[in-house]
Amino acid sequence: AQSVTQPDIHITVSEGASLELRCNYSYGATPYLFWYVQSPGQGLQLLLKYFSGDTLVQGIKGFEAEFKRSQSSFNLRKPSVHWSDAAEYFCAVGSTSGTYKYIFGTGTRLKVLA
Amino acid sequence: SQTIHQWPATLVQPVGSPLSLECTVEGTSNPNLYWYRQAAGRGLQLLFYSVGIGQISSEVPQNLSASRPQDRQFILSSKKLLLSDSGFYLCAWNLAVLDTQYFGPGTRLTVL
Repeated sequence: AQSVTQPDIHITVSEGASLELRCNYSYGATPYLFWYVQSPGQGLQLLLKYFSGDTLVQGIKGFEAEFKRSQSSFNLRKPSVHWSDAAEYFCAVGSTSGTYKYIFGTGTRLKVLA
Repeated sequence: SQTIHQWPATLVQPVGSPLSLECTVEGTSNPNLYWYRQAAGRGLQLLFYSVGIGQISSEVPQNLSASRPQDRQFILSSKKLLLSDSGFYLCAWNLAVLDTQYFGPGTRLTVL
């Protein structure tokens, strides 16, 4: 069965430090992968997505993610975190199993220290 | 440009009362529509999706139901709410399977 794992529930970094949020997926074919961000009490906003091609994907707000098939990972990175990046981040994989289903990870809550 | 609306933004309901949450999309036609629930500390759970008027697929058996009376309107309902129905309900849309989903602002439901 398809699944998405975000092993870090909470991450705290200092402003200006680099960030990496982990995402591992289980999927039998080439996955469609997404990273979304959710500010408190808000809906989700797409940061970036990977469908095919270059495995390093650039997104909005200075984020990037790298698809590594051998590791079944799609980790999100940012070289220098800003206080406004504090939010919850969700990794998702799109299912091609005949439904229109996204499978979301349980999220990683990012706290940024001034 | 496309926009998605959800209302109400916040709702407090007693156990056993009915529920109706509404989602509308503007600026596009024939979208795929989705209802998700986000419980505290958990990820997003897909509840229902719809690929057209009157076409509803349920992902999780429960006391909730969904309807799509118009192309860009998606309604989540319940006849009798349970405590476990509390959560943050998100509506989303896209135009193609596996395309980016665009989310509404959400409805915070508290069942007391």
